[in-house]
Amino acid sequence: DVKVTQSSRYLVKRTGEKVFLECVQDMDHENMFWYRQDPGLGLRLIYFSYDVKMKEKGDIPEGYSVSREKKERFSLILESASTNQTSMYLCASRPGTSEKAGNYGYTFGSGTRLTVV
Amino acid sequence: AQSVTQLGSHVSVSEGALVLLRCNYSSSVPPYLFWYVQYPNQGLQLLLKYTTGATLVKGINGFEAEFKKSETSFHLTKPSAHMSDAAEYFCAVKRAAGNKLTFGGGTRVLVKP
Repeated sequence: DVKVTQSSRYLVKRTGEKVFLECVQDMDHENMFWYRQDPGLGLRLIYFSYDVKMKEKGDIPEGYSVSREKKERFSLILESASTNQTSMYLCASRPGTSEKAGNYGYTFGSGTRLTVV
Repeated sequence: AQSVTQLGSHVSVSEGALVLLRCNYSSSVPPYLFWYVQYPNQGLQLLLKYTTGATLVKGINGFEAEFKKSETSFHLTKPSAHMSDAAEYFCAVKRAAGNKLTFGGGTRVLVKP
């Protein structure tokens, strides 16, 4: 089974800190995604990457950046954390071609719950 | 632009009763449709999907959903709720070409004994 591992389950950071959220997948997937989950809003796409060093903005990229230096790792960066970035962050991955994607499924990590104080 | 609306942020059902979770979407092109489930403190797990072909789709854990193009709906049902079905459920839509999944706001299901 594909595993998507998020390095931290819970994080508490101070306002203004630079925060790194790490995600690693072990099945050679081309595509990786960062979502933010908030009650009543579902999941909203922050950024995604379709290849090493490639990235595209999602629906809510403001205040975030990403890094993908290796295929298996996709990092979400909060340049200067703010309290309105307190949320659950979910990473996901997906194969790049329809043949490998098969049923077009995305595999999600267990999430990182970030609290900014 | 695509959007997904899930009617009801919370649903309470009795054990053994029908579970019905509603999902409507808007999309300029025929979409692919998904239902995901999230158990407490876990990531999202795919329940079922519609891409092409048969409009009644069966998934895991006894769930099924029917794609109705005329109603732009993809409602999720299970004939008989089990205590283990207590979770949050998300409907999502994706264009056939492209990577982006757009999610609804989620519906939290409570199952009463």
